[in-house]
Amino acid sequence: EVQLLESGGDLVQPGGSVRLSCAASGFTFSSYAMSWVRQAPGKGLEWVSAITTTGSNTYYAASVKGRFTISRDNSKNTLYLQMNSLRAEDTAVYYCAKTAQHEYWGQGTLVTVSS
Amino acid sequence: DVVMTQSPLSLPVTLGQPASISCRSSQSLVYSDGNTYLNWFQQRPGQSPRRLIYKVSNRDSGVPDRFSGSGSGTDFTLTISRVEAEDVGVYYCMQGTHWPRVFGGGTKVEIK
Repeated sequence: EVQLLESGGDLVQPGGSVRLSCAASGFTFSSYAMSWVRQAPGKGLEWVSAITTTGSNTYYAASVKGRFTISRDNSKNTLYLQMNSLRAEDTAVYYCAKTAQHEYWGQGTLVTVSS
Repeated sequence: DVVMTQSPLSLPVTLGQPASISCRSSQSLVYSDGNTYLNWFQQRPGQSPRRLIYKVSNRDSGVPDRFSGSGSGTDFTLTISRVEAEDVGVYYCMQGTHWPRVFGGGTKVEIK
């Protein structure tokens, strides 16, 4: 059974940083691209970032480019999202998803950016 | 970037009746490999999203056959043949052909 478990969400001050993790199990992690998608409170889904199997290619939404960095550790079956220079509008539940077509989703982790 | 436009925003339906959601893209979603990467997701209240349909018309494992997807190029439709109470939630289309990926704004399905 595919499982994706996000962690690392927190209350962060504007301008601060946080790193999210997504622990994957139930499939060969190194064989699949992975993605991050977010959802602000009461809003729709917003694609954030994706990474290819080896990490050689990464993709970002314009709203986070230059501030967020996606990475992965295939030896640990874990996906990461380093989030810097956080703004109030980054407040959201962050989901990791298997593949660039979002085949499976985790339960999400909440990041709140507020002073 | 591709723009994904869903309609309607809200869809009140009677149990047992059909429902259809439209999704239009601002440019063709046909990829160079010949596939069209248009996906549909369901988000029930309080839950994570779940993919229902991939590549326009392919149902994911465990998805009831009352859900079907159709369309081509820039115009797509999700149809629920007979709405059940468990179908209440928000439905999103997403284009998986171009970078960046883009979701539609969502359609809220509720029971009349």
